[in-house]
Amino acid sequence: EPEVTQTPSHQVTQMGQEVILRCVPISNHLYFYWYRQILGQKVEFLVSFYNNEISEKSEIFDDQFSVERPDGSNFTLKIRSTKLEDSAMYFCASSAPYASTDTQYFGPGTRLTVL
Amino acid sequence: DQQVKQNSPSLSVQEGRISILNCDYTNSMFDYFLWYKKYPAEGPTFLISISSIKDKNEDGRFTVFLNKSAKHLSLHIVPSQPGDSAVYFCAAMDTGRRALTFGSGTRLQVQP
Repeated sequence: EPEVTQTPSHQVTQMGQEVILRCVPISNHLYFYWYRQILGQKVEFLVSFYNNEISEKSEIFDDQFSVERPDGSNFTLKIRSTKLEDSAMYFCASSAPYASTDTQYFGPGTRLTVL
Repeated sequence: DQQVKQNSPSLSVQEGRISILNCDYTNSMFDYFLWYKKYPAEGPTFLISISSIKDKNEDGRFTVFLNKSAKHLSLHIVPSQPGDSAVYFCAAMDTGRRALTFGSGTRLQVQP
């Protein structure tokens, strides 16, 4: 069964450093998403991406964040200058809106630890 | 932001019995609802969904009920199995926007 994959599984970085989290969505999906879950809190929407542009973003997704689909398979989230409060699990998801369902399928997540 | 609420942080049931997980929402623009299951250190796994044009959707042991007037949905698992032990998240979407809004989750423990 096709699945969303994410790398790395765990990323440790120093405050102020740039990080890039990588995702390979399900191959025939058209919408891509990033969510995050801070320890003990809810899963929160960050951004959705369709047709090579951001379709929606939350208040969390400020100028420190960017997304890119650099080739036909990868989808990346970049945090330019990490803060301690960026420590969280980051989940990538994808969906195929041509179906009657809008189900989003999630990857296993990347745990980001900012020291 | 409490647009989606799961008021029971945990639930314990015996194997073979029914598990009922509840979810309430406040945003009347939500028109698509999903349940996800999550194990520690893994991503949410899709279980079942329901559109606002329906009031029930069934898939094997899992049934989701939607009461639009009460802005309430529930997930029934019958019969419950020890492998069902996980955290269950309710999520809602306004299909015009696609961003999922998640509840805080209910930890289900199924006792053998």
